[in-house]
Amino acid sequence: AQSVAQPEDQVNVAEGNPLTVKCTYSVSGNPYLFWYVQYPNRGLQFLLKYITGDNLVKGSYGFEAEFNKSQTSFHLKKPSALVSDSALYFCAVRPNTGTASKLTFGTGTRLQVTL
Amino acid sequence: DAGVIQSPRHEVTEMGQEVTLRCKPISGHDYLFWYRQTMMRGLELLIYFNNNVPIDDSGMPEDRFSAKMPNASFSTLKIQPSEPRDSAVYFCASSLASLAGGQTDTQYFGPGTRLTVL
Repeated sequence: AQSVAQPEDQVNVAEGNPLTVKCTYSVSGNPYLFWYVQYPNRGLQFLLKYITGDNLVKGSYGFEAEFNKSQTSFHLKKPSALVSDSALYFCAVRPNTGTASKLTFGTGTRLQVTL
Repeated sequence: DAGVIQSPRHEVTEMGQEVTLRCKPISGHDYLFWYRQTMMRGLELLIYFNNNVPIDDSGMPEDRFSAKMPNASFSTLKIQPSEPRDSAVYFCASSLASLAGGQTDTQYFGPGTRLTVL
């Protein structure tokens, strides 16, 4: 069975500082990994994904994530946080084999960026 | 494209009533997913369809829940009878199978329906 762990319920960071939102995963075989963001009263929006290739993936709004196979991690990062980045962030995983398309989401991490 | 469309955006009903949530996926997408989000349980996959056929409904809580996809542009999630514990935000998402064959890629979510059962 596949699973995702987001160990922090909330991350607080000052505007302008770098941010990291952590994600570790468990899946049979190689993973497809995703980050989504949810703003209040909105649906989830796709940020970025790792399918194959370069371990550093760049996505929307200046976010990036690094795939680390040995540590089974896919942490989300941004060099300089903005107040507008404050939202709920979800990591998701599925195996890259077979026809199953079921994504497993983490419990979410609330990012709070303050002035 | 208008994105995934869900209706209604808000629904308030009384226990025992039938509730029908609606979803229009992105045109051309061949996978459709129904999720439920609550504070206690987070985001749960209820059921998903491929080419209008239900593939995995193992997340459907019980027989009170049913979902249909009569055509490629419309799906419904029905709760009958509704109970207060069904109160949640219900999301629909769609995606396109990759050219690699049968494997889906990015899921695009609708704005959700906030259901309150009194």
